[in-house]
Amino acid sequence: SAVISQKPSRDICQRGTSLTIQCQVDSQVTMMFWYRQQPGQSLTLIATANQGSEATYESGFVIDKFPISRPNLTFSTLTVSNMSPEDSSIYLCSAIIGFRYEQYFGPGTRLTVT
Amino acid sequence: AQSVTQPDIHITVSEGASLELRCNYSYGATPYLFWYVQSPGQGLQLLLKYFSGDTLVQGIKGFEAEFKRSQSSFNLRKPSVHWSDAAEYFCAVGAPGGADGLTFGKGTHLIIQP
Repeated sequence: SAVISQKPSRDICQRGTSLTIQCQVDSQVTMMFWYRQQPGQSLTLIATANQGSEATYESGFVIDKFPISRPNLTFSTLTVSNMSPEDSSIYLCSAIIGFRYEQYFGPGTRLTVT
Repeated sequence: AQSVTQPDIHITVSEGASLELRCNYSYGATPYLFWYVQSPGQGLQLLLKYFSGDTLVQGIKGFEAEFKRSQSSFNLRKPSVHWSDAAEYFCAVGAPGGADGLTFGKGTHLIIQP
C-alpha cells in the first residue's frame, strides 16, 4: 500500500477565510481524488484532481469554492475558499496507485470554521 | 446514478460472535466494490475489493465478502469478531475500470459487547 500524507492534519479557521490542504503520495499515482466527510456522515466525492489541467468536479461542488491543483503526479492541493461554518468537515485525499485500482486514503484534514 | 445502501446504521455484536454487514448497490453494470473500515481518529483502510471472478473475496483482518449479482449485494462477514473490530464500516462502489471516484454508503457503526 502507499503512504499518503496530508497537511495540515487539522485547523480552526475564521469565517470568510481560505485554507489550502496539501496531499503527497509516496508511490506511483494513477489517479487522485478529494472527498469531504461532514460530521457523522459518509464520504462524498468532491472532484478528481487531474494532472496539469482543471479538476473534474462532482455535482454540487464548484471550482470557485474548491479550487484544486495537481502540478505533478504525486502532489495535489485543495483550497476551501470563503469558508463558512457549513464547511466544517474532514477533507480527505485519495489515490489509485499503479494499475491495481485500489483507492488509498490519506489521514484527512479536520477543518473547523468559526 | 449509482448509489449504495447500508441498511444498518448501528450493529451490536458480542465478542467472538459472527458478523454480517449488509450492502446493496444500484449501478448500471457490475461495478467495482469495496469495503473500508474507519476506526476512531483513523483514516480509511481498505478491507477488501471485488472486481470480477470468484464472488467470495477474502480481505485483511479475517474479513470476507460475497458478491451476489442477482441481489445487487456485497455483504461483509467475519466468523468471530474481536473488540478491536469496533469501528465504522463503509461499502463503496466505483466504475468498472477503476478510474473514477467512489460512491460510499452511509456506513455501519459496529459496537462490540464484551
